[in-house]
Amino acid sequence: GESVGLHLPTLSVQEGDNSIINCAYSNSASDYFIWYKQESGKGPQFIIDIRSNMDKRQGQRVTVLLNKTVKHLSLQIAATQPGDSAVYFCAEKDNKLIFGAGTRLAVHP
Amino acid sequence: DSGVTQTPKHLITATGQRVTLRCSPRSGDLSVYWYQQSLDQGLQFLIQYYNGEERAKGNILERFSAQQFPDLHSELNLSSLELGDSALYFCASSVEGEGGEAFFGQGTRLTVV
Repeated sequence: GESVGLHLPTLSVQEGDNSIINCAYSNSASDYFIWYKQESGKGPQFIIDIRSNMDKRQGQRVTVLLNKTVKHLSLQIAATQPGDSAVYFCAEKDNKLIFGAGTRLAVHP
Repeated sequence: DSGVTQTPKHLITATGQRVTLRCSPRSGDLSVYWYQQSLDQGLQFLIQYYNGEERAKGNILERFSAQQFPDLHSELNLSSLELGDSALYFCASSVEGEGGEAFFGQGTRLTVV
């Protein structure tokens, strides 16, 4: 497949390890903060979101943490698998949906 | 399958030309977003429509325009094309209200030669 964002930062992890992807956001008025996953040649896919009045939300193998004090968002993936290899984008929603810079996650066996 | 359909999948055209990209949102979704994704950039927000009305505008060039029709499908028109307009163009749709989930189409790859 084609590469998206050749100059994206890359996080390399070993299969089975936990991954943490970080993001800084800018708009304190955003209602929701979201993580999307984009595999090569595909459109972004929703992973999990968190409302602005929360600081933690868990999904299946994923946890999102929101620190409003420092405007920081993180995505934790437990027991990372090869299928998790993709580009991960954080996004914020204040009516419009604005994406941050992506991070490429590379999972090695 | 996200339920969002974009056509065409690929488009090759010459500089100076005009093209129209089409998006059919998920059934029931009133909001449509358009994004541009170049190789060295992330997803750049272009414009959002809600139930036929423009709701928000991002970094959309004056050469670009969009609209949402009564049946909720949307079109993005790109004119006076330049080499730098070559990119993936994504459409997304969502149910307005709670949550940040939007559903993306597979994108249209535009190549300007």
